[in-house]
Amino acid sequence: GENVEQHPSTLSVQEGDSAVIKCTYSDSASNYFPWYKQELGKGPQLIIDIRSNVGEKKDQRIAVTLNKTAKHFSLHITETQPEDSAVYFCAARPGDSNYQLIWGAGTKLIIKP
Amino acid sequence: DAGVIQSPRHEVTEMGQEVTLRCKPISGHDYLFWYRQTMMRGLELLIYFNNNVPIDDSGMPEDRFSAKMPNASFSTLKIQPSEPRDSAVYFCASNNRQGRETQYFGPGTRLLVL
Repeated sequence: GENVEQHPSTLSVQEGDSAVIKCTYSDSASNYFPWYKQELGKGPQLIIDIRSNVGEKKDQRIAVTLNKTAKHFSLHITETQPEDSAVYFCAARPGDSNYQLIWGAGTKLIIKP
Repeated sequence: DAGVIQSPRHEVTEMGQEVTLRCKPISGHDYLFWYRQTMMRGLELLIYFNNNVPIDDSGMPEDRFSAKMPNASFSTLKIQPSEPRDSAVYFCASNNRQGRETQYFGPGTRLLVL
């Protein structure tokens, strides 16, 4: 079955700098890759997603890139702000699933003032 | 829309007691997911329903865990008897098969079994 690995587990960056979180997946048939942000005491919330027919997607300061050949995808946050501090999860939807997601272990992002 | 509603938000119980967690999905959503989150194991899918029918319960850890969805607006996750290792945050999420894959999570129930 699908397996998703996420790195790093903790990332500390200076406010204003960029942050990059990387995930790899094992199932080449996986076709949907969302990123979720979880703030303290809350449930995860979708921030951006990408499908397997697209290589890159941007939404203001957030971008996601997908390399299907290497089976990895990354979250890029530019001009980080204190409110970006949270735990970020990547996920992949296996090719044989309609709605089930396989989740990465999460990255705790710390923005230093 | 009020979003996914979960109750209680916090639950403290003693080992051996029955625990019931409740979830109200977003109206119109026909998929419902129960997750467990711990530091050690991360976010684990326990079970999910489609149109009130359990589709995959392979993530349910033991027979002590059971889940039901008697109608489209209500689901329960029950642990009987509870054990200290069940302590975790339990999330409910829902989504809509009409071309929208986003899972909308509730605020979670933080369970502590003493």
